[in-house]
Amino acid sequence: AQSVTQLDSQVPVFEEAPVELRCNYSSSVSVYLFWYVQYPNQGLQLLLKYLSGSTLVKGINGFEAEFNKSQTSFHLRKPSVHISDTAEYFCAVTPNRDDKIIFGKGTRLHILP
Amino acid sequence: NAGVTQTPKFRILKIGQSMTLQCTQDMNHNYMYWYRQDPGMGLKLIYYSVGAGITDKGEVPNGYNVSRSTTEDFPLRLELAAPSQTSVYFCASSSLDRAYNQPQHFGDGTRLSIL
Repeated sequence: AQSVTQLDSQVPVFEEAPVELRCNYSSSVSVYLFWYVQYPNQGLQLLLKYLSGSTLVKGINGFEAEFNKSQTSFHLRKPSVHISDTAEYFCAVTPNRDDKIIFGKGTRLHILP
Repeated sequence: NAGVTQTPKFRILKIGQSMTLQCTQDMNHNYMYWYRQDPGMGLKLIYYSVGAGITDKGEVPNGYNVSRSTTEDFPLRLELAAPSQTSVYFCASSSLDRAYNQPQHFGDGTRLSIL
């Protein structure tokens, strides 16, 4: 069975500083990986996804993530955060031949002025 | 293009009452899903549907029922509301082709409190 672990429930970071949100997964088969963002009182929006090919994936709003198969990780990074990045971020995995996405518990990003 | 629309946005129920959470999508997506989101717990899949007339249980189906009579609509029914069902409910959809390859489109959620 697949599972997703987001190692930090909350991450505080100063505005304009870099941030990394960690995500590890476990699976016996190849997977597709996703990061979603949830702004307050809204549904989830897709930030980026890894399907195949280049292990460095660029998404919207200046975010990027790197797929590391040997470490089974898919960490999300941004070189300089803004107040508007305050949100909850979810890592998710879908097995190649399945249609259900499995979500991590989320990481709440707090931007400090 | 409205995407995924959920109604109502907020609701307070008394224990034992019943209600239906509505979800409709206008993207002609075959796959539809219901999730619940509890603080610090991420999203848990309640039920999903791969097409009209076909539904299946997810991770936490107890206390809920669904139906899928049309491609557009996927209502979620609570028959006997319990405090443990206080949560935020999200409906989502994705297309048939390579469903694993498509991001799910989410509604804005229904915030339900059972008192």
